[in-house]
Amino acid sequence: DTEVTQTPKHLVMGMTNKKSLKCEQHMGHRAMYWYKQKAKKPPELMFVYSYEKLSINESVPSRFSPECPNSSLLNLHLHALQPEDSALYLCASSQSKGGEQFFGPGTRLTVL
Amino acid sequence: GESVGLHLPTLSVQEGDNSIINCAYSNSASDYFIWYKQESGKGPQFIIDIRSNMDKRQGQRVTVLLNKTVKHLSLQIAATQPGDSAVYFCAENRSPGNQFYFGTGTSLTVIP
Repeated sequence: DTEVTQTPKHLVMGMTNKKSLKCEQHMGHRAMYWYKQKAKKPPELMFVYSYEKLSINESVPSRFSPECPNSSLLNLHLHALQPEDSALYLCASSQSKGGEQFFGPGTRLTVL
Repeated sequence: GESVGLHLPTLSVQEGDNSIINCAYSNSASDYFIWYKQESGKGPQFIIDIRSNMDKRQGQRVTVLLNKTVKHLSLQIAATQPGDSAVYFCAENRSPGNQFYFGTGTSLTVIP
């Protein structure tokens, strides 16, 4: 299995909702990442997990809360988001931190 | 056809021509670079990588050139095909943190 899967594909939520994005890989990779991508812009790094420990938090607001329950799974919990948080959220994994990253298809998030 | 990345974010080429996509990076300590292709509605897909101890690397129809003196990276696509139409990002691995940061991206359109 050489792919990163993400669910849901699309998500629409209100500013008072709580939702979660999920990411899974079965390549034995020990580093996993969350990126945010706005239209016509490059992906921006949000969080990095290495060996299930949060390694990097790129000054992301606390309304985004990452979780890595095990080496194959990565979640992004969302609460009290703003309309400007609407974007494509990409998950990626790599053998180790700094290695070639494999990306999932992303979750298209719309905040109303 | 040729782009200069940050200054010309779009590039149109005729099918069968060669394409050159350019990228300027910022950190002279960056030692690993990846080119990604992102099609509409999908996550970035690895194309080719290069480490700083090399100045050229070839893949199938693609070549990456690295000029560390001027901090410049280019992606050459031979005999461009309609399926090559996508946005192309360069990503540099920067220290500290050992993480990838993406360039602005260039949108390539292949005209049949």
